[in-house]
Amino acid sequence: DIQMTQSPSSLSASVGDGVTITCRASHNVNNYLNWYQQKPGKAPKLLIYGASSIQDGVPSRFSGSGSGTDFTLTISSLQPEDFATFYCQQTYSMPFTFGPGTKVDIK
Amino acid sequence: QVQVVQSGAEVKKPGASVKVSCKTSGYTFTSYFIHWVRQAPGQGLEWMGIINPNGGGTTYAQRLQGRITLTRYTSTRTIYMELSSLTSDDTAVYYCATAGTSGSYLDYWGQGTLVTVSS
Repeated sequence: DIQMTQSPSSLSASVGDGVTITCRASHNVNNYLNWYQQKPGKAPKLLIYGASSIQDGVPSRFSGSGSGTDFTLTISSLQPEDFATFYCQQTYSMPFTFGPGTKVDIK
Repeated sequence: QVQVVQSGAEVKKPGASVKVSCKTSGYTFTSYFIHWVRQAPGQGLEWMGIINPNGGGTTYAQRLQGRITLTRYTSTRTIYMELSSLTSDDTAVYYCATAGTSGSYLDYWGQGTLVTVSS
């Protein structure tokens, strides 16, 4: 199985801050890497697919980059509604494993 | 528009089975694979398996092999996830999600179904 790691596991930031979350795969996943946002009590929401393609309706302050084993999710200017937990997922090889998550909360 | 609606919460005893439904609408049912993902209380996301509504082919996570069964009924546009031999470790919210036009991302998610396993 491909193992996914994320860093940091949590971070505190203020509205307007820029934030970068890193995801690393134990094996090459090409660009089969997705990012999801989850708020408490809600289903995950797709933000980025194919490492860098933004899902319809997602604000442009979210962006993704990377290929192979190292990926990043960047939020250019945090908004109040962005505080949540973010997960990466590889869909290169089954099982389609998720990272452990990064919780972003308000400083 | 695409909608994914799951069945309601369940409480089961250890050793029992549970069957969760996932009803879809708003797109051609056989076009998109369906994934199942679960989340234990306070924990992360665990991918469980995938079904191709066009033919019913399935792939399951190895750790659930032998206990999980995904089935589909095209007439009702509904996917079912059955998990047997339940233990307290199976207490979680279970989600189904459509697999996107390329099949490589989970774009439309159900609201989740809480399954509680308790004696």
